[in-house]
Parts: sequence; structure tokens; C-alpha cells
Amino acid sequence: ETGVTQTPRHLVMGMTNKKSLKCEQHLGHNAMYWYKQSAKKPLELMFVYSLEERVENNSVPSRFSPECPNSSHLFLHLHTLQPEDSALYLCASSQDVRGGTYEQYFGPGTRLTVT
Amino acid sequence: AQKVTQAQTEISVVEKEDVTLDCVYETRDTTYYLFWYKQPPSGELVFLIRRNSFDEQNEISGRYSWNFQKSTSSFNFTITASQVVDSAVYFCALSPSNYQLIWGAGTKLIIKP
Repeated sequence: ETGVTQTPRHLVMGMTNKKSLKCEQHLGHNAMYWYKQSAKKPLELMFVYSLEERVENNSVPSRFSPECPNSSHLFLHLHTLQPEDSALYLCASSQDVRGGTYEQYFGPGTRLTVT
Repeated sequence: AQKVTQAQTEISVVEKEDVTLDCVYETRDTTYYLFWYKQPPSGELVFLIRRNSFDEQNEISGRYSWNFQKSTSSFNFTITASQVVDSAVYFCALSPSNYQLIWGAGTKLIIKP
């Protein structure tokens, strides 16, 4: 595997379900990110991890819970979601979090539908 | 305020035409970075270029070129001799003095055969 991988690619879940999104980066990067991409909206940064420590949590509802067990893996645990949470969830990584110095590399995303 | 504006929501051209995607940004930082990403229908955002605020040289990479002008706070992207495979949504983004990326709304580019 190369680059950034995400599983599953598609997920349909009911509002009472619990599921997890997985992201893995094979680039040796130290920083990982979760983004939400909804139709007609700019990308929204949700969480940022640097060397497994969370450095940013952009007022994301608690029904989204991130986990970064090591610098190569990032999870997004989902529970009791709402229909408006349906979106494309993108994972990204970069060499470091320092000020735009490093570009972010993205995975293919998980298309989430909440019914 | 930090902001990126991509005023063109959608552009449609015929293959082999040249096309320019506009990006205008706002920031009070003196050091910042600008990016362009491509998002094909598959969904994955593909990094195209990074430019820092101290480097106003234009960049050319094959059929792609970028024009960075601090005087007008613009970082425009031109595709020469467009191809159907260039069809995608293109995003411009600004990174001020931290790791945040401030994204434009994207421009959907349709290249017709």
C-alpha cells in the first residue's frame, strides 16, 4: 500500500449505530488530519494529530471521537449520528504540522450516509 | 480575516482550450503558503503545488502554470491545451502562520471532448 488509505470507502449507518472509520498513512508522516466535506461547503477541518497528540479539535460534536494510536493510524469513531452528518470524510497526513511548510496528502475518503 | 475566494463555481470548455481558474485570498500574515489541489470524481484530493509568500515566481509544470501576484492577492491556475482527464474540482487553499488550511469553495472544471 502506498500513500494514504481509508476504509471503508462507503458506509451507510442508522442514527443509533456505532461505527469507525480507519485511516492509514504509509508516508512516514508525523501529522494526521480528519476533514469533513459536505456538498456546497468548503472542507471543514475536524481534528489534527501531531505525533499521536491531538492539537486541534474544531468544535466538533462529541458524537465524533478520534483516536490516534500511533503516527501511522487514525480512527474516527462514530455514534448516534444525525442525517446532517452525511458527507465525505477525508483523512490526510503531512510530514509535520508546522505552518503550511508541508503539503497534506489525502486519502480517497469514506462516503458516509446516515439514515 | 483569513479567506479564500474562488468565484468561478463551474467552468466548461472544449478539449484543447486553455482555461484559467481564479483564486483570491485574504490574510494579514506576512508569511503564508498557498496551495492548489485537484479532486477528481474518485474523491481523493491530489496535491498540485505549494507556494510561499516570499516567492512570486510563476511556476510551470507541463500543461499547468500558476501565476502568483501579491499585489492583487491572487494565485491563479492555468491549464493549457486542456484534456478530458483534467475534469475535476480544483481547490485553492491558504495556510497562514499555523497548520490550518483555509479552503476555497472549489471550481468544478468540465472538459468536453
